[in-house]
Parts: sequence; structure tokens; C-alpha cells
Amino acid sequence: DVKVTQSSRYLVKRTGEKVFLECVQDMDHENMFWYRQDPGLGLRLIYFSYDVKMKEKGDIPEGYSVSREKKERFSLILESASTNQTSMYLCASKKAGGFGNTIYFGEGSWLTVV
Amino acid sequence: AQKITQTQPGMFVQEKEAVTLDCTYDTSDPSYGLFWYKQPSSGEMIFLIYQGSYDQQNATEGRYSLNFQKARKSANLVISASQLGDSAMYFCAMREGRQSEKLVFGKGTKLTVNP
Repeated sequence: DVKVTQSSRYLVKRTGEKVFLECVQDMDHENMFWYRQDPGLGLRLIYFSYDVKMKEKGDIPEGYSVSREKKERFSLILESASTNQTSMYLCASKKAGGFGNTIYFGEGSWLTVV
Repeated sequence: AQKITQTQPGMFVQEKEAVTLDCTYDTSDPSYGLFWYKQPSSGEMIFLIYQGSYDQQNATEGRYSLNFQKARKSANLVISASQLGDSAMYFCAMREGRQSEKLVFGKGTKLTVNP
């Protein structure tokens, strides 16, 4: 089975802290994604990585950065956390290429910034 | 402009009845893929069904089928014989164009199945 593992399920951080959300996949997928999910807004793409050290901004990259040094790991970084970044964060991965390639999600990380 | 529109924030259905969840999309690219995902209250995203823009037939997976109307740019999910466990959020998503690997999601529809 494909496994996408997010390091933390629930986090509480203070305003101004640097926050790292880690994601690891075990299926050798080229593509990895970070989405943010908020009620009424659906899933919004923050950043996308199509291969190691390759990244592309999504729809809402402001306040976030990412790192992909190894194929299996994709990290989301909040340089200085703010209360409006309180949300659920979903990591996902998929194999590059075919249109029908399924995207697999982690269980989500609930981040609260106080 | 939104790429994926789900106009029903919430839907209710009686157990054992069928329900249709609406999804319309916006693209000028002839090549695209459409996906439906289910998200129970536990939070995990579960892949349900896929439809490619060149597929001649509507996709089906067990109790799930996709009513694909290309000219109308709609890809509605039909769930037959609803079960209590079908209560969840449902998201429609699109991958647009051969050059892009990204998936764009709609805002979701919350389905409640009543006993």
C-alpha cells in the first residue's frame, strides 16, 4: 500500500515561531504537494514539487516555503507563524505522467497558531 | 475564475437512496482528468473515481459512477444505494493539461446520509 506519512498530527505553535511540517512517502513518487484545507474553501495548493529540489508555487504560497532534498521527503516551512495560518495541512504524492495517476494523501496535520 | 465549482455546500439523502453531487469545471485544454475524493470526519482523503477527458464511457467504481457531460463541462458523482458510512465531505478535482502535474480542488460538498 502507498503510504504518505505526516510527522505531526496536531501541533500548537506560538506566533512568530518557525514551524516545520514533514512529509514522507514510500512509493518513489516524483510529485509531492502541500495543500491547506479550511472550511468552506476546500483544498488550496500551497506548493508543489515535481522532483528532487524542484518546486513550484501553488495558489497561496505567501508565508510558506518548502524543501525537497530527497525524493521521499517534502517539508513545508512556516518562517514566522501567524494566527491566519491556523489550518489543516495535507501532504500528497503521486507518480508523474499519466492523467489517471492517483494522488495519495497523508492523514493531515492540524496546526494551531496562538 | 474558479477551475472547479461545487455548488452544493451540503446535501442530505436517505439511506439506500441514490444521490448526485454536482461538479462543473473550467478549462480550455482538451486534455484533462477529473477526480472525486471522499473525506470522512477522520480527515483522510480517499480516492473514489477518475474520468479522463478522452474517455468514451462514464467511469464507474462499485456504487460510484461519474456522469460526465463534456459539452456542459460537468462531472457529477452519483452514489447509488447510499449507506450511513457515505456521510463525509466530497471533493471534485481536476488535472489540467499535459504540461501540468497539479491537481486543483473544489470547495467540497458535505453529504449526510440519514437512517
